[in-house]
Amino acid sequence: EDQVTQSPEALRLQEGESSSLNCSYTVSGLRGLFWYRQDPGKGPEFLFTLYSAGEEKEKERLKATLTKKESFLHITAPKPEDSATYLCAANTGFQKLVFGTGTRLLVSP
Amino acid sequence: DTEVTQTPKHLVMGMTNKKSLKCEQHMGHRAMYWYKQKAKKPPELMFVYSYEKLSINESVPSRFSPECPNSSLLNLHLHALQPEDSALYLCASSQGTLGTETSTDTQYFGPGTRLTVL
Repeated sequence: EDQVTQSPEALRLQEGESSSLNCSYTVSGLRGLFWYRQDPGKGPEFLFTLYSAGEEKEKERLKATLTKKESFLHITAPKPEDSATYLCAANTGFQKLVFGTGTRLLVSP
Repeated sequence: DTEVTQTPKHLVMGMTNKKSLKCEQHMGHRAMYWYKQKAKKPPELMFVYSYEKLSINESVPSRFSPECPNSSLLNLHLHALQPEDSALYLCASSQGTLGTETSTDTQYFGPGTRLTVL
């Protein structure tokens, strides 16, 4: 069965304290690994798509990487406005996304 | 522009009411999706439309009825809902590459409709 697991479930950082979020996946045929940011009560906001092991993408303080078994979202020198839930999802084909349960990030000033 | 719009933002309805949720995108995408999201849970796929045809129904109860009038619009008709159906309902769209098994498209989400069933 296709599965996506995110850790940690929640993460509290001080402003400027860099860290990484983990997304482990077990899927029969990965057709893209997606990262989304979701603020409370709002829809997920697209961040990155990764397709191949070794691929990396960056946007401002965020950097996403992909291996054959997991993906990391690295947050460098986070700011309070980076506080949100970060979701990863694996495209298993047939337009279906298998979501992880998310990491709730809180960045304190 | 990667905007998906949804109306209304909030909806309160009784169990005997009939209401509809609307979703619109103008990115030329040919695949559109409905998701349901409960608090502190990830989105759950309900329906997928590909080129205006229903391609996936994730065994959703018949009190939820999707409709895709054209390539830009997606509706979700609601009837005789239960309180446990209260949730954030999300619409998404993607390019809609033909050959859905191999699709690698990115899905873009709307802001959602917060539904409360009394």
